[in-house]
Amino acid sequence: EVQLVESGGGLVQPGGSLRLSCAASGFTFSSYSMDWVRQAPGKGLEWVSYISSSSEIIHYVDSVKGRFTISRDNAKSSLYLQMNSLRDEDTAVYYCAREIGGGYDKWGQGTLVTVSS
Amino acid sequence: QAVLTQPSSLSASPGASASLTCTLRSGINVGTYTIHWYQQKPGSPPQYLLRYKSDSDKQQGSGVPSRFSGSKDASANAGILLISGLQSEDEADYYCMIWYSSASVFGGGTRLTVL
Repeated sequence: EVQLVESGGGLVQPGGSLRLSCAASGFTFSSYSMDWVRQAPGKGLEWVSYISSSSEIIHYVDSVKGRFTISRDNAKSSLYLQMNSLRDEDTAVYYCAREIGGGYDKWGQGTLVTVSS
Repeated sequence: QAVLTQPSSLSASPGASASLTCTLRSGINVGTYTIHWYQQKPGSPPQYLLRYKSDSDKQQGSGVPSRFSGSKDASANAGILLISGLQSEDEADYYCMIWYSSASVFGGGTRLTVL
């Protein structure tokens, strides 16, 4: 069974940092591109970042460029999101998602990041 | 103007059909893009429904009933998610998505009420 399990969320002050992790199982992680997608409380979905299967291609939404860094460790079947200089507007549930055919066929349950003083 | 625009809400009766639209911004040709659709119920992550580019290039998500289908309306520059034989369990938020300019872009979502 394909599983994606996020961790690392929590309460952080503005300007602080967090590192999210996504542990994958049940499929050949190294064969898939992966993304982070977030959802602010009561709001819609917002794509955050993309990383290709071997990390050669990376993209970010403009609002996180220079602050967030996506990475992966295929040997550990894990995806990461390093988030620095966090802002109130980064408060959201962060989902990792497996990409296939340009869409996301599997999603984790999400991890909540709250940025507040 | 947003890249993808969805009506914020839609109501329909059990057993009826619901047509959810996803309108692309002027200048972005719907015929060029694959549109992906997701369903999200409260407290749960999104679930993949299907992708649609054309009648010859489409794919249903694993386990997704055939009463969920995709199409396009070129005259309206829109993608369409059609749900037939509505059931109470179809009540959810629905999001469309395209890959545009090296980014995934989601529509704002449509809340479907089945009553």
